[in-house]
Amino acid sequence: SQTIHQWPATLVQPVGSPLSLECTVEGTSNPNLYWYRQAAGRGLQLLFYSVGIGQISSEVPQNLSASRPQDRQFILSSKKLLLSDSGFYLCAWKKGPSTDTQYFGPGTRLTVL
Amino acid sequence: GESVGLHLPTLSVQEGDNSIINCAYSNSASDYFIWYKQESGKGPQFIIDIRSNMDKRQGQRVTVLLNKTVKHLSLQIAATQPGDSAVYFCAEPEGGYNKLIFGAGTRLAVHP
Repeated sequence: SQTIHQWPATLVQPVGSPLSLECTVEGTSNPNLYWYRQAAGRGLQLLFYSVGIGQISSEVPQNLSASRPQDRQFILSSKKLLLSDSGFYLCAWKKGPSTDTQYFGPGTRLTVL
Repeated sequence: GESVGLHLPTLSVQEGDNSIINCAYSNSASDYFIWYKQESGKGPQFIIDIRSNMDKRQGQRVTVLLNKTVKHLSLQIAATQPGDSAVYFCAEPEGGYNKLIFGAGTRLAVHP
């Protein structure tokens, strides 16, 4: 069966510090991968998605970037965090272009102080 | 633009009652819908999906109804339990099925 991991689970960072969040998927190959952000009590905002290694699509202009160095690894980064980067970051995967359902990881709670 | 939205932001029910969570969509060409459950501090969990060639689909204690005429779908939870307390999102694919568009979410609160 497939599993998706995210780490760290929680993170508190000062403004201006760098960020690296990691997401890995097990039990599948060539998945589509997604990064979402969720503000407290709100819905999900798609940040990036990737259909293959090195292929990144950005949905909104922002202070963040994403990379996919390996087939089942998706990384969310920032060089300098802003207060507005605080939120709950969710990684998701789906099997490929022929399927629709996305499956989510446990999330990372980021607080920027 | 096209969007998926929810009628009610919060729904309070008594334990044992049935719950109905509603969702309206605007893209008449949408042919697939998903319901997710998100418990506090956790990632969304897939509950059930439905394709547009169906009007109804049943799972374990959950039923999704799709009314294409009025572009409305609902999630029905039978015999609601405290463990059903969560935020429920409807979602539909967009952009060649590489993306999902989520509704704003409905919070379900189950009272003993």
